[in-house]
Amino acid sequence: DQQVKQNSPSLSVQEGRISILNCDYTNSMFDYFLWYKKYPAEGPTFLISISSIKDKNEDGRFTVFLNKSAKHLSLHIVPSQPGDSAVYFCAASLTTDSWGKFQFGAGTQVVVTP
Amino acid sequence: GAVVSQHPSRVICKSGTSVKIECRSLDFQATTMFWYRQFPKQSLMLMATSNEGSKATYEQGVEKDKFLINHASLTLSTLTVTSAHPEDSSFYICSAPTWEGKDGYTFGSGTRLTVV
Repeated sequence: DQQVKQNSPSLSVQEGRISILNCDYTNSMFDYFLWYKKYPAEGPTFLISISSIKDKNEDGRFTVFLNKSAKHLSLHIVPSQPGDSAVYFCAASLTTDSWGKFQFGAGTQVVVTP
Repeated sequence: GAVVSQHPSRVICKSGTSVKIECRSLDFQATTMFWYRQFPKQSLMLMATSNEGSKATYEQGVEKDKFLINHASLTLSTLTVTSAHPEDSSFYICSAPTWEGKDGYTFGSGTRLTVV
């Protein structure tokens, strides 16, 4: 049962433009969300997180938006750079269950073209 | 920052043999370690949770006798794939809560297992 879904397997965006990645979840009890970036043959690298008490968190070029009523979160990357080309995973956690235990989406492959 | 060192990064083994994957926490104590597996074009799936000094907790559908987890110390957790088969070929990765920093957990670099 896939509780976290990323319905877009790939995204191509021009350098300098905005990348928008989407993620939906089914478990309304999730209270902590993350976005990770992963290069081939490497472990995931943390990008940004958001707690369910917030609806937006910003860190440099990365902004995560959370819509709890829609059970939807998104990651905005502005401006996109070639080094942003990677697979991006969203992940959700129920922190009262077990800290650090995440459900992951299938990932979105982002390609930033010059 | 907190680092989890995972070895080996790549391993090729013959069917029927066993492979051990190690995750060591550097500069922090990992009382808990999560083990994930990722098949091509799929998401990371949690396999099991290991806790130092106690038995691991396995997710539904994961064979505990096939995927042996040992967490004998606060800095080392191991996953042994026993009697490996080609369908066990996957990307295995560990993660530990660090209780510090803005993310509070860190991932190992992963192990690409190929069973031939």
